[in-house]
This record gives sequence, C-alpha cells and structure tokens, in this order.
Amino acid sequence: EPEVTQTPSHQVTQMGQEVILRCVPISNHLYFYWYRQILGQKVEFLVSFYNNEISEKSEIFDDQFSVERPDGSNFTLKIRSTKLEDSAMYFCASRVGTGLFYGYTFGSGTRLTVV
Amino acid sequence: KNEVEQSPQNLTAQEGEFITINCSYSVGISALHWLQQHPGGGIVSLFMLSSGKKKHGRLIATINIQEKHSSLHITASHPRDSAVYICAVEGAQKLVFGQGTRLTINP
Repeated sequence: EPEVTQTPSHQVTQMGQEVILRCVPISNHLYFYWYRQILGQKVEFLVSFYNNEISEKSEIFDDQFSVERPDGSNFTLKIRSTKLEDSAMYFCASRVGTGLFYGYTFGSGTRLTVV
Repeated sequence: KNEVEQSPQNLTAQEGEFITINCSYSVGISALHWLQQHPGGGIVSLFMLSSGKKKHGRLIATINIQEKHSSLHITASHPRDSAVYICAVEGAQKLVFGQGTRLTINP
C-alpha cells in the first residue's frame, strides 16, 4: 500500500537554528498538509497546500514557517529560528482530492526536539 | 470554530470486551474521521464517514449528523487494539482533532 514518507524520524536542534522537515507524499495525491502535535496535546492543523501554493494556514503558521514543493515529489516544512515551543511531532498528510470519497494518508511523523 | 470532544479520555478493558468511544462536535461538518495513533506516534486512518455506519473487520463507526455525534466500536477487543483513537472532523479542507482516547486492552 502506498505510503507517505517523512524524514528524519527524529531531529534535535539548537534553539535559533533552522530546520527542514521532509515529506514524500503519495505520487498521485494533489493535496498536502502539515499538522503538529505537542506532547500531550491535540493534533493541530498548520497548513494545506495545493497546486503549488498555500490554500489555507492556521494562526500558528506565522512568518517563522514556510512550505514548498521544490521538485514535484518532496513537500517540505521549514522552520526558521526554532523556539523551544516548536518541539512537537510534525505530521505530513496527503490526499488525492477533497470531498467525501478521499481519505487522508498520514506519514509516521518527525519528532522535533528544540534544546 | 469547531470543538471536538471525545469520551472517555482513558479506557482500560479486558480482552474480548466490546468497546465504545464517543465523539461530539459543535459545528456542521462535511465528514468525520476516526484515526488510530500507536505508541510510536504514527497516525493511521480507520474510517471517514459522513452518514450512517461503516464496518471494517472488528471496527464499526457510526455517525448521527443531527446530534453531531459519532461512535467507534470495537468488538471482541484484543491487546493489539491498544492505542490512542482520535476523532477528527473535516471542514474548510482541514481536520480539527479531538484529544484522543487512550485504549488499553489487557490479556
């Protein structure tokens, strides 16, 4: 069964450093998402991406964050100048389309630890 | 803004028991998702439904749109069912998640 692949599985970074989290969505999927889960809290929406542009973003997704699809396969989340509170599990998800017949496929997540 | 509440937050049961996890939401939605999160953190999609009932193996999901309520049932529960079960509602092309129900099935 096709998978969404995320790398790395775990990243430790110093506060203030930039990190790039990588995702390879399923090849025929058109809609891409980043979600995050701070330890012990609910999963939260960050951003959705379609047709090479952001379609929606949450209040969390401020200027510190950016997404891109640099080569038509990878989908990346960049966090500039990381803060301690950015420590969380980050999930990438993709789907073929929107609407009632299209479920989400999630990656296994990247655990980001900012020290 | 949609609020999603699950109950119970924690559930411990013996192998073989029938399990029910509930989810309520506050605003009309296009679809509701049930997800499973294992200790390693990965999320697996179990069901997406907008009306009625769906069944997959020992798992059954139901939704009542008028009451804004959904249930996930597990029949003949097994220790391998131990995980966090999360309800998420879909609106405006994004998911809003509940806090999850931690299920532990003892042998």
